[in-house]
Amino acid sequence: AQSVTQLGSHVSVSEGALVLLRCNYSSSVPPYLFWYVQYPNQGLQLLLKYTSAATLVKGINGFEAEFKKSETSFHLTKPSAHMSDAAEYFCAVYGSSNTGKLIFGQGTTLQVKP
Amino acid sequence: GAVVSQHPSWVICKSGTSVKIECRSLDFQATTMFWYRQFPKQSLMLMATSNEGSKATYEQGVEKDKFLINHASLTLSTLTVTSAHPEDSSFYICSAQIGGNQPQHFGDGTRLSIL
Repeated sequence: AQSVTQLGSHVSVSEGALVLLRCNYSSSVPPYLFWYVQYPNQGLQLLLKYTSAATLVKGINGFEAEFKKSETSFHLTKPSAHMSDAAEYFCAVYGSSNTGKLIFGQGTTLQVKP
Repeated sequence: GAVVSQHPSWVICKSGTSVKIECRSLDFQATTMFWYRQFPKQSLMLMATSNEGSKATYEQGVEKDKFLINHASLTLSTLTVTSAHPEDSSFYICSAQIGGNQPQHFGDGTRLSIL
């Protein structure tokens, strides 16, 4: 069965610093992986997706993620954090039964300090 | 593109009343819609999966008579919380998917407060 683990429930960076949010997955089939962002009292917004094409995926707002099969990882990065990046971030993978159900990680709260 | 509208965004009502939440895909047809519940500081918990024209599939532990789901068209699904009680207070989020392994697109959520 698919699963997702986000390492670090809380990450704090200074404005302008590198953002690195970690996600590891387990999957018995080639995974479809996603990163979503959630701002307070809002739904989830799709940042980027991996669907077995290029291993380096570029998303919105300057974020990108690299799929590494050997490490079963899909870490999210951004070279320079902005205050507006402060939010909750979720990594997700589709379940193996192809029902369209997303398996979410526990979420990582990103804090950006001025 | 891929906009999902959820309404209302905030509901406060008395215990015992029923509340209906709408989820609409505005610029695409959604084969499948999903309903989630989110507790503070937690991830999303899937409640049910809804396909147009058929009965919703509920996750284990979710009362289908309490949380009624209707998916009458490819652009509209509704969740009705029947005879709501304070323990039903939560943040409810819907999502819609075109199909297959395409991403789910989420509404902005509904904050439900039962007094």
